[in-house]
Amino acid sequence: SSELTQDPAVSVALGQTVRITCQGDSLRSYYASWYQQKPGQAPVLVIYGKNNRPSGIPDRFSGSSSGNTASLTITGAQAEDEADYYCNSRDSSGMGVVFGGGTKLTVL
Amino acid sequence: QVQLQESGPGLVKPSQTLSLTCTVSGGSISSGDYYWSWIRQPPGKGLEWIGYIYYSGSTYYNPSLKSRVTISVDTSKNQFSLKLSSVTAADTAVYYCARVSMIVVENWFDPWGQGTLVTVSS
Repeated sequence: SSELTQDPAVSVALGQTVRITCQGDSLRSYYASWYQQKPGQAPVLVIYGKNNRPSGIPDRFSGSSSGNTASLTITGAQAEDEADYYCNSRDSSGMGVVFGGGTKLTVL
Repeated sequence: QVQLQESGPGLVKPSQTLSLTCTVSGGSISSGDYYWSWIRQPPGKGLEWIGYIYYSGSTYYNPSLKSRVTISVDTSKNQFSLKLSSVTAADTAVYYCARVSMIVVENWFDPWGQGTLVTVSS
């Protein structure tokens, strides 16, 4: 079983704000990174570290963390944001890596 | 811009060994700034980290797969490889390779290869 827990599905109305969360004990010590995956495509990094966006990722994507929970926020969700989102961080040993189970985001 | 490309057989028989190679272009696997990793995704399911390797050959594997996994690196060819032994249908998945940044309390995978589907079937 995954050491990072995500809600299986979340929905948001077009143009509204949505928060996708990731819970796990290792998040008290390590930052999460976030990935967007559309059907038939490889995952794409959207947030890493405290709140960093790779080049080309829109600024409507942001990250935050508190206690054992990391969050990905999309401010003003667009139709193209409909995808699966995965969080990732170190495991409890600090040496390995673990992914959350993924959240399917539907934009209504 | 660094790019990664997976290659290898798309069909493997049960009990045999799955072998894949990831070729890195646009950058050196020996740069020392990154680790190199394999991740897989069974059809319709989530991502599972398999393991990673440093250019020196140091490895770390997912404990749940450790007994069956070997990741190796060939710096002369700018490639790293995955071997997974004693495969079953449960190992059917899209296999991705990716570059990993691991800095103090952060880690992230970027970029990723396009992925390759490996089916375990007789």
